[in-house]
Amino acid sequence: NAGVTQTPKFQVLKTGQSMTLQCAQDMNHNSMYWYRQDPGMGLRLIYYSASEGTTDKGEVPNGYNVSRLNKREFSLRLESAAPSQTSVYFCASSEALARAGNQPQHFGDGTRLSIL
Amino acid sequence: EDQVTQSPEALRLQEGESSSLNCSYTVSGLRGLFWYRQDPGKGPEFLFTLYSAGEEKEKERLKATLTKKESFLHITAPKPEDSATYLCAVRHSGYSTLTFGKGTMLLVSP
Repeated sequence: NAGVTQTPKFQVLKTGQSMTLQCAQDMNHNSMYWYRQDPGMGLRLIYYSASEGTTDKGEVPNGYNVSRLNKREFSLRLESAAPSQTSVYFCASSEALARAGNQPQHFGDGTRLSIL
Repeated sequence: EDQVTQSPEALRLQEGESSSLNCSYTVSGLRGLFWYRQDPGKGPEFLFTLYSAGEEKEKERLKATLTKKESFLHITAPKPEDSATYLCAVRHSGYSTLTFGKGTMLLVSP
């Protein structure tokens, strides 16, 4: 079972370049998330999508945009990359983001992004 | 604001030497506390969800417990393959997203 698949696994960009990180899940989950993980900072939520057609800002949304393309796919775009965006990016999905639900999130293996 | 603090930041154990990791939290209306394991170069892997004080869950050498202010991940007779970073996260009643702690890096030496 693939679960959550992220592409690419590694990428190096120059400052000012743009890039889209792709994420797809095959678990028929409603909710999807983008996190960044930096040394000493833990996982921080960038954006999330409670369901197809909706997106919301997380803790650190500045410099990013997202698109929920369909139920399976959720992409993260850096329009003008900055060195401060060097990080490991993780996509996750869960069955529901409803108040009554309490399902765990399932993560992909990340995209390691370096911006020079 | 939700706070999740994990301690220690790093822990080195000998194989077979049992210990505990701590996750203390301050949230209004806890709706779930989650433990994850993360191996180098991989994404977090879900281990447990705890919902209410007094609850316990076990999986192999791991046992998670929950009180009103903290959770413990007890590791009994660890093996080198238990080496990983263990992450704790909470969800509270007003929110559906998770707030993560910074993790505890565990190294078990043979």
